[in-house]
Amino acid sequence: DAGVTQSPTHLIKTRGQQVTLRCSPISGHKSVSWYQQVLGQGPQFIFQYYEKEERGRGNFPDRFSARQFPNYSSELNVNALLLGDSALYLCASSFSNQGEQFFGPGTRLTVL
Amino acid sequence: GENVEQHPSTLSVQEGDSAVIKCTYSDSASNYFPWYKQELGKRPQLIIDIRSNVGEKKDQRIAVTLNKTAKHFSLHITETQPEDSAVYFCAASMGSGGSNYKLTFGKGTLLTVNP
Repeated sequence: DAGVTQSPTHLIKTRGQQVTLRCSPISGHKSVSWYQQVLGQGPQFIFQYYEKEERGRGNFPDRFSARQFPNYSSELNVNALLLGDSALYLCASSFSNQGEQFFGPGTRLTVL
Repeated sequence: GENVEQHPSTLSVQEGDSAVIKCTYSDSASNYFPWYKQELGKRPQLIIDIRSNVGEKKDQRIAVTLNKTAKHFSLHITETQPEDSAVYFCAASMGSGGSNYKLTFGKGTLLTVNP
C-alpha cells in the first residue's frame, strides 16, 4: 500500500507569490491534516479536514487556506508569501478523527 | 491553548544503554499522546502512542508511560541501537468527542546512539 504522498517535494518562490501544495492520503483514509515544520522545531498544526469539511484550524493567518476533494486528497494554499513561510509542510492522514496520523514526506518550501 | 514541553533537547547514549525522553503538557483535557521519530530529511514516523485511559504501553524495546495527575508522559527506549539515532517528538491532542486531529508537538529531542 502506498503511504501518504505529497507534491511537489521542493519549491522555491519569491515574496508575494502564491503556492499550492498537494496531498494524497492513504487509501481509505478520510481525514487530512496539514502541519508546518520550521527547521529545528516540531510540526505546528495548520488545518484538519475530515469528510471534506474543515474541522480544525491552527493559529495561522488567513493567507493560509485549504480544501479537501471528494477523493479525500487535499490542497494547501498560501498567498502573499513571506520569508517566514519557508518551512517543511507536512500532510498527515488518518482513517477518522480518532485515528493515528501518518505523515507524508513533506514539501520543502523556500521563499526568497 | 495546549503547550507541550520536551526534555532534553539532546541526548547521547552508548549502544545498549537506555534512553528516556520526558514531556509535560498543560491542558488536562488532552487525551491522546503519540510519539514520532524523524530521521534527517524524512517524514515523522509514529512509533508508539497512548491514550489517557492507559498508564503504560510497551512495544518491544519502546515503552511510554503517562501520569495524568502530573500531566507528563515519557518515552523509554531500552537496549538502544545506532539506528535509533533520530529526532523524537512527543505530541498531545485534545479532541472533542474522541477526535484527535490537532496534535501539539514538543520541540524534539535529538537522540544519538554511539556504537
